[in-house]
Amino acid sequence: AQSVTQLGSHVSVSEGALVLLRCNYSSSVPPYLFWYVQYPNQGLQLLLKYTSAATLVKGINGFEAEFKKSETSFHLTKPSAHMSDAAEYFCAVKGQGAQKLVFGQGTRLTINP
Amino acid sequence: KAGVTQTPRYLIKTRGQQVTLSCSPISGHRSVSWYQQTPGQGLQFLFEYFSETQRNKGNFPGRFSGRQFSNSRSEMNVSTLELGDSALYLCASSLTAADYNEQFFGPGTRLTVL
Repeated sequence: AQSVTQLGSHVSVSEGALVLLRCNYSSSVPPYLFWYVQYPNQGLQLLLKYTSAATLVKGINGFEAEFKKSETSFHLTKPSAHMSDAAEYFCAVKGQGAQKLVFGQGTRLTINP
Repeated sequence: KAGVTQTPRYLIKTRGQQVTLSCSPISGHRSVSWYQQTPGQGLQFLFEYFSETQRNKGNFPGRFSGRQFSNSRSEMNVSTLELGDSALYLCASSLTAADYNEQFFGPGTRLTVL
């Protein structure tokens, strides 16, 4: 069974600083990994996905994530935070042969001016 | 292309009642999944439909049910509502049932049970 752990339920950074949101997964087979963002009173928006084509995945809004099999990690980064990045971020894993997404508990990102 | 739409956006019900939520996927998408989001349990998978067939079901009681129509639109029903059913219910659509396809989410229906 797949599972996801997001380290840190709340991360706070200054505007212009590096954003690093941590995600570790557990999967018995090579997984598909996703990062989603949720703004208040909205649904989830896909930031990026890993489907084994490349270990470094670039997404929307300047975000990227690196798949590290040896560390079972898929951390999300952005070089320079913007005020509009304030939201909740979810890491999710999907096993092969299924549409079911298993989500982490989420990380709320706050940007300080 | 229009995104995933969910109706209604907000709903208030009382304990014991039943409720039906609707989801229209992105045009051309044939797979629909439903998720429940609560502050305590986070995002949990309810069920997945493809070509009018339920392919996968999460760990929820039988009070939660769903269906998909021939035009890929989906509905979920919750009977005998309990206070703990208060949540944001999210629908997601995907082009096919292939596991590498990403899911696109609607804005959700916020259900409040009094």
